[in-house]
Amino acid sequence: DAGVIQSPRHEVTEMGQEVTLRCKPISGHDYLFWYRQTMMRGLELLIYFNNNVPIDDSGMPEDRFSAKMPNASFSTLKIQPSEPRDSAVYFCASSLEGAAEAFFGQGTRLTVV
Amino acid sequence: GDSVTQMEGPVTLSEEAFLTINCTYTATGYPSLFWYVQYPGEGLQLLLKATKADDKGSNKGFEATYRKETTSFHLEKGSVQVSDSAVYFCALTPRGGSARQLTFGSGTQLTVLP
Repeated sequence: DAGVIQSPRHEVTEMGQEVTLRCKPISGHDYLFWYRQTMMRGLELLIYFNNNVPIDDSGMPEDRFSAKMPNASFSTLKIQPSEPRDSAVYFCASSLEGAAEAFFGQGTRLTVV
Repeated sequence: GDSVTQMEGPVTLSEEAFLTINCTYTATGYPSLFWYVQYPGEGLQLLLKATKADDKGSNKGFEATYRKETTSFHLEKGSVQVSDSAVYFCALTPRGGSARQLTFGSGTQLTVLP
């Protein structure tokens, strides 16, 4: 398997623009997670899905953030409108039901100017 | 709630030096413990794990022993290489828990100089 695939790897956008990050989890995995990593706050869990259904979005910082998982092989994280403080590395990860190991993608480095 | 505390970084070592990265945890019961590693430009990947007291996890020359009495899971390597330069994260789940319950530490940056 190719692992968790995220796109784009890098995104630079202007404040106020909409940003969409994409993720393809490992085939057969039941859980999908979105994390954000910053120097100040470390690794934060934003939201996770189980079998395409959002289970816990309590980590989503504001209503500007939204995530969807229309099918088992694709998820998006959208920020609208984006702000400079959203600049971070966003990771997608997936795991099997009952398994403690999460498999991470390479991340998307977002810069909002 | 559960929490993980790691030693402050960054840590800079010369090649072949001995490495220790401290990790302590707060959790009810007997959690499962993990070390993840993040190489530059990459996502996190599982390095090793231990699921019960006194278990030793090991991989790629790294070791960590689950110490219930000190609630610790320190990462060690006898001789580091430049290729070990990365950020190391200590993490836990409740006993029998899954990835959705992972709690990560803040990470420790390791730089190994030739």
